Amino acid sequence: TQLLEQSPQFLSIQEGENLTVYCNSSSVFSSLQWYRQEPGEGPVLLVTVVTGGEVKKLKRLTFQFGDARKDSSLHITAAQPGDTGLYLCAGAGSSASKIIFGSGTRLSIRP
Amino acid sequence: DADVTQTPRNRITKTGKRIMLECSQTKGHDRMYWYRQDPGLGLRLIYYSFDVKDINKGEISDGYSVSRQAQAKFSLSLESAIPNQTALYFCATSDPGGYQETQYFGPGTRLLVL
Repeated sequence: TQLLEQSPQFLSIQEGENLTVYCNSSSVFSSLQWYRQEPGEGPVLLVTVVTGGEVKKLKRLTFQFGDARKDSSLHITAAQPGDTGLYLCAGAGSSASKIIFGSGTRLSIRP
Repeated sequence: DADVTQTPRNRITKTGKRIMLECSQTKGHDRMYWYRQDPGLGLRLIYYSFDVKDINKGEISDGYSVSRQAQAKFSLSLESAIPNQTALYFCATSDPGGYQETQYFGPGTRLLVL
């Protein structure tokens, strides 16, 4: 069974600080996605990384796929209150018949 | 209007009752999914359907059933609700995209089983 573990589970930091969230597995994935979920809403896709070592940037968010395609990280620079939410990573296998979601990191940015 | 809608948004029911959660989409996608979300457990797949005539069990299908009435509609039923089915339920849709497939989620249904 493929599992994705996210750390930390909870993170509360001050506005303007930097942070990194991790998504780890013992399995290899064909791609790794990051979603953000806000209260009362469903998850929304932020990015998909496909190639080992790939780095993608989305404004202040930097996503990296591990060289072995087993792990990923999300780095936020100068966090803003609008970054608050639940961040979920999701891995797709070669068959792409379903996506495996991690347990999530709940991020809170204090003004 | 939202592309993926779920009804009801909130539901309280009693143990043993049968309930149905409904999902409709206007994205024209063939693939639809039902997930449940529990604190600390992320999203777990209950059932998925790749077209109207296709139904597949997911990771946690016991106690649930689904019906794909049309391309745009996918409903989830709890035949006899129990308290540990209290959770947040999400419907999602996608187009085939291989391992770069994007899922589009509805706003969720919060279910409380007493």
